[in-house]
Amino acid sequence: AQSVTQLGSHVSVSEGALVLLRCNYSSSVPPYLFWYVQYPNQGLQLLLKYTSAATLVKGINGFEAEFKKSETSFHLTKPSAHMSDAAEYFCAVRRNAGGTSYGKLTFGQGTILTVHP
Amino acid sequence: DTGVSQDPRHKITKRGQNVTFRCDPISEHNRLYWYRQTLGQGPEFLTYFQNEAQLEKSRLLSDRFSAERPKGSFSTLEIQRTEQGDSAMYLCASSWSTENTGELFFGEGSRLTVL
Repeated sequence: AQSVTQLGSHVSVSEGALVLLRCNYSSSVPPYLFWYVQYPNQGLQLLLKYTSAATLVKGINGFEAEFKKSETSFHLTKPSAHMSDAAEYFCAVRRNAGGTSYGKLTFGQGTILTVHP
Repeated sequence: DTGVSQDPRHKITKRGQNVTFRCDPISEHNRLYWYRQTLGQGPEFLTYFQNEAQLEKSRLLSDRFSAERPKGSFSTLEIQRTEQGDSAMYLCASSWSTENTGELFFGEGSRLTVL
């Protein structure tokens, strides 16, 4: 079974500072990994995804994440935070093997990012 | 293509009443998923369909919950005899089964409050 753990339910940064949101995964097979963002009262929007190509993945809004198999991690970073980045961020894992449930995503508990002026 | 749409966006009901949510996926997508999200938690998988077939159901989906996708297009999620613990955001998502990257496209959710 796949699972993800997001370290830190709340992260607070100053505008212009580095954003680092942590995600560790557990999977018995090589996974596909995703980061989604959720703004208040909205659905989830895909930021980026890792699908076994390049280990450094670039996404929208200046975010990127690096897949590190040895550390079973997929941390999300952004060099300079903007006020508009304030939202809740979810890491998710999906099996990349076949079978009837391989399309299902399993989500972490989320990290709320606060950006201070 | 207007994305995944869900209706209603908000529903307030009294305990014991039945409620039904509707989801219209992106038209080309043949997979449809239902998730539940409670405050402070990530979305939890409930069930999914490929076309009209319901391929997997979570143990979270008690006998009071039923989901259908009769023609392989829109889907409904019905909760019978609602309980206060059913209060949550119900999210619908869709995708291509042949899309190897597995990205799910989410609707804005239907928020249920059970009084």
